[in-house]
This record gives sequence, structure tokens and C-alpha cells, in this order.
Amino acid sequence: SQKIEQNSEALNIQEGKTATLTCNYTNYSPAYLQWYRQDPGRGPVFLLLIRENEKEKRKERLKVTFDTTLKQSLFHITASQPADSATYLCALGNTGNQFYFGTGTSLTVIP
Amino acid sequence: KAGVTQTPRYLIKTRGQQVTLSCSPISGHRSVSWYQQTPGQGLQFLFEYFSETQRNKGNFPGRFSGRQFSNSRSEMNVSTLELGDSALYLCASSPKGGTNTGELFFGEGSRLTVL
Repeated sequence: SQKIEQNSEALNIQEGKTATLTCNYTNYSPAYLQWYRQDPGRGPVFLLLIRENEKEKRKERLKVTFDTTLKQSLFHITASQPADSATYLCALGNTGNQFYFGTGTSLTVIP
Repeated sequence: KAGVTQTPRYLIKTRGQQVTLSCSPISGHRSVSWYQQTPGQGLQFLFEYFSETQRNKGNFPGRFSGRQFSNSRSEMNVSTLELGDSALYLCASSPKGGTNTGELFFGEGSRLTVL
């Protein structure tokens, strides 16, 4: 069955630095990959979607890469701020809305 | 536009009981998905409904069931509750369904505790 791993359970970085989160997967060939942000006690919030034929997507301070050969996605937050502190989830899917989620990386941006 | 609304937000049940959770999607969204979130397993897909039809189903026992009404509202039911069913149940709606994909809009979840 498919397996999705996010680089670490927790990541601490200094304000202003670039946070890089990793999502690796096996036994699956997704057509697209999404990243979500989840704050404590809240539902996940969509951030970015990238398709298998796209290498990179950007949105403001966010950048996502998708390497189907390495079976890996990298999620970057540049000029990080304390408000970026949250858990970030990657989700893989094909057609329809059935997604496989990673367990998430808890990011803490230290002022 | 109102977001995805889930009720109840919190509930406590005992083993063997059953529970029904409700989800009202964003107006105009026809796809509703349900996920179970636990600390150990993360978010796991339960099922997806589109236009009142179950389109996809995750790897959960038959005790977990759902349905969607003509107004796109959805309910999920868990019968014969077990301790391991304690989790945050998240509903997500999407304007797209079928072979189209799009972002999921999640509700705040229903936190179920089974004693």
C-alpha cells in the first residue's frame, strides 16, 4: 500500500529563514500533490496544488516542487514568520477527491 | 460564503453505541469527503460522495457508513463504537468531483471520544 513520509515530526527555524519541508512517497503514482496547513483544533487549509507534469509552483512566499522520479515534494516557506508556525500536511491523489495524507510536520518559527 | 459546517463539534460516547455526524458543504459544492484524523495515523480517507453517490471508499470496516442528500449535505455513521474510533472526523467539500480534482475545503471537525 502507499506510504507517505514527511521529513520530521517537528522543525524549528529562526524567523526570516527559509523553512523546507519534505514529503516522500512510495508505492503510489500520484497525478497531483497538495499541501495543507493545519492549526491546533482546526481543519486543514489548502495552500498549493501541483500536478505530475509540473516541476514547481509558487504562491507569494510559498514554493512547491514535485519530482516524480525521486517520488518527492519539497515545500518551502521563504522569509518565515512566527505566524507560519503550524502543522503542514502533504496529500497525494489521482482522479477524484480521494487523497492520501502524510502525518504532517510541525513547524515552529522562533522570533 | 459560509464555510463547511460540521456538527456536533464534540461528543462523548461509550463502546457499543452508534454515532451520526453531520456535514454541510460550501454552497454549490457537490463533492463531500470524510476523513478520520488520529495522532498515530494522521488523516485517513473514509469515503467521498458526489451527487448523492459514493464514488470512493477508504479501507475502513463496514461499521463506518455515510450518505449524501440531494442538497449535498452529508452524514456519516459509525455503529458499534470501539475505543479506537476516538478521533477527529473531518468533512471536506470540493467544487469538483469525478475525474476533476481540486482543493478540499475542510470543516473544523467533530471530535469523538469513545469511553
